Amino acid sequence: AQSVTQPDIHITVSEGASLELRCNYSYGATPYLFWYVQSPGQGLQLLLKYFSGDTLVQGIKGFEAEFKRSQSSFNLRKPSVHWSDAAEYFCAVGALPGRRALTFGSGTRLQVQP
Amino acid sequence: GAGVSQSPSNKVTEKGKDVELRCDPISGHTALYWYRQRLGQGLEFLIYFQGNSAPDKSGLPSDRFSAERTGESVSTLTIQRTQQEDSAVYLCASTPGPGGYEQYFGPGTRLTVT
Repeated sequence: AQSVTQPDIHITVSEGASLELRCNYSYGATPYLFWYVQSPGQGLQLLLKYFSGDTLVQGIKGFEAEFKRSQSSFNLRKPSVHWSDAAEYFCAVGALPGRRALTFGSGTRLQVQP
Repeated sequence: GAGVSQSPSNKVTEKGKDVELRCDPISGHTALYWYRQRLGQGLEFLIYFQGNSAPDKSGLPSDRFSAERTGESVSTLTIQRTQQEDSAVYLCASTPGPGGYEQYFGPGTRLTVT
């Protein structure tokens, strides 16, 4: 069965510092991978996705993620964090054929210090 | 254009009562998903509709949960005889078609069972 692990429940960084959120997945084939962000009281917004091709993908709001097959990872990065980036971040993997639902990690809550 | 909308945004109900949650997907999106998000956790898949195909109900946690969708439009998620463990945010998402993994989420309905 597919699964997604986000090992960091909570991360605090200073504004302007770099950020890396970890995501590891378990999936039997080439995965479809996603990062979503959820601000308080808001629905989930797609930051970026990986389907195939270049393993470094660029997303919105200055985020990027790198797919590393050998490590079964899809870590999210941002070179300089802004206070508005404080939110919860979810990594997700695309479903098995015939079932299109996503499997989500448990999320990482990002706090940004001034 | 309009995104995915859900109503109500908040619902407080007494244990044992039935509740009905509504989702309006993006116009033209043929696929619709329901997820549940318990406090501090990731999203759990509940049910998936694709066009006129039989829905994938494999994520429904018990027979108290059911969902309907009329064609490619509105969907309702019904929870009968609510229990306190049903308290969660219920999120709806839609995609343009069966091959589209990029899911667009609504803001969710926060259900509190007292």
